[in-house]
Amino acid sequence: EAGVTQFPSHSVIEKGQTVTLRCDPISGHDNLYWYRRVMGKEIKFLLHFVKESKQDESGMPNNRFLAERTGGTYSTLKVQPAELEDSGVYFCASSLPGQGSEKLFFGSGTQLSVL
Amino acid sequence: DQQVKQNSPSLSVQEGRISILNCDYTNSMFDYFLWYKKYPAEGPTFLISISSIKDKNEDGRFTVFLNKSAKHLSLHIVPSQPGDSAVYFCAASEMGGYGQNFVFGPGTRLSVLP
Repeated sequence: EAGVTQFPSHSVIEKGQTVTLRCDPISGHDNLYWYRRVMGKEIKFLLHFVKESKQDESGMPNNRFLAERTGGTYSTLKVQPAELEDSGVYFCASSLPGQGSEKLFFGSGTQLSVL
Repeated sequence: DQQVKQNSPSLSVQEGRISILNCDYTNSMFDYFLWYKKYPAEGPTFLISISSIKDKNEDGRFTVFLNKSAKHLSLHIVPSQPGDSAVYFCAASEMGGYGQNFVFGPGTRLSVLP
């Protein structure tokens, strides 16, 4: 069974440009989460989808970040326009409905560098 | 202000010895704690967890201890193996361990030397 897949694995862009990150969760996982780790610090929650609905987006840093999950399958996270402080590793995770922490599966992340 | 702290950014241990990774938290409402392990170029993977109603949970070579009065938990790995070399994240939750409620620490890089 395929795990959580994230694309691209690395992205280098200039300040002011737009970047779109993609996450394909494990098939059948209704729960999808985005996290971010900036400069080797703690991993911070960004938002949570249940199917195509945003359950909690309290961790989104500002309105330059837009997450979508059309059709309840894959999700995209767009940063527009990107700023220097957006650099970091963006992780996606998924789980089945009602599953707790032990069943949260992470992707390998997208390393975003904004120059 | 960080609610979950891992004050040691790195730790080196000889193979076969005990590794002890520490984690402190400030939010007394946290009731569920987890450790995740992360290898380079991979996402974090769940390792072990503990509920606040317990003070110890053991799974093979891994044991997590929780001291609620001190707001401190630790992960013991005995015996340590080179394959344990990774970054270890401590995480805490107020609502029983669901993904959106996790607060992660900054991680401790463990190096197990052969």
